[in-house]
Amino acid sequence: DQQVKQNSPSLSVQEGRISILNCDYTNSMFDYFLWYKKYPAEGPTFLISISSIKDKNEDGRFTVFLNKSAKHLSLHIVPSQPGDSAVYFCAASVSGSARQLTFGSGTQLTVLP
Amino acid sequence: EAQVTQNPRYLITVTGKKLTVTCSQNMNHEYMSWYRQDPGLGLRQIYYSMNVEVTDKGDVPEGYKVSRKEKRNFPLILESPSPNQTSLYFCASSLGGPLTDTQYFGPGTRLTVL
Repeated sequence: DQQVKQNSPSLSVQEGRISILNCDYTNSMFDYFLWYKKYPAEGPTFLISISSIKDKNEDGRFTVFLNKSAKHLSLHIVPSQPGDSAVYFCAASVSGSARQLTFGSGTQLTVLP
Repeated sequence: EAQVTQNPRYLITVTGKKLTVTCSQNMNHEYMSWYRQDPGLGLRQIYYSMNVEVTDKGDVPEGYKVSRKEKRNFPLILESPSPNQTSLYFCASSLGGPLTDTQYFGPGTRLTVL
């Protein structure tokens, strides 16, 4: 049973528009959430994170929103650029647990020029 | 340049033939971890290590072994590989745990077990 779910395997967006990637979780103990980006033939790279004490965290073109009551988070990319085309993984953890991140299955974002 | 290296990048082997995938980091990180990535399942943690000689199981440790004799190296050992271990493997490291500092991932090792 996957505790972190990314229900959209793929998403296509026009350059300059907003990309919204979604992630749902089932474990109410999760209190720290991260997004990773992965290009082909490379390892994932950290993008942005959010603690459950916040409902929004922003870093340049990237904003993560957390809705704890719905157990849902989303990553907004504005404006989207062709270089943003990659697989995006959502990950979650119980912050007291140093060992483990639970990852979603990923969403392939394609930004069309 | 700060990096995590894995070798080999690609490997095709046969069932039962022992193999080792090496992982090395040059950032003096204490925490290291192995993941496997499978379609539709994302990344799942195999083993992790909080420091030299300290290792523990992740979510999918069956069929794998690890060792941490030096801080920089964290090899993944498959004593008797089976086809269900065909996957894309990533090593990662961070200064503390995966939350106390950014995890840096290696480029991946694509393993095929025939």
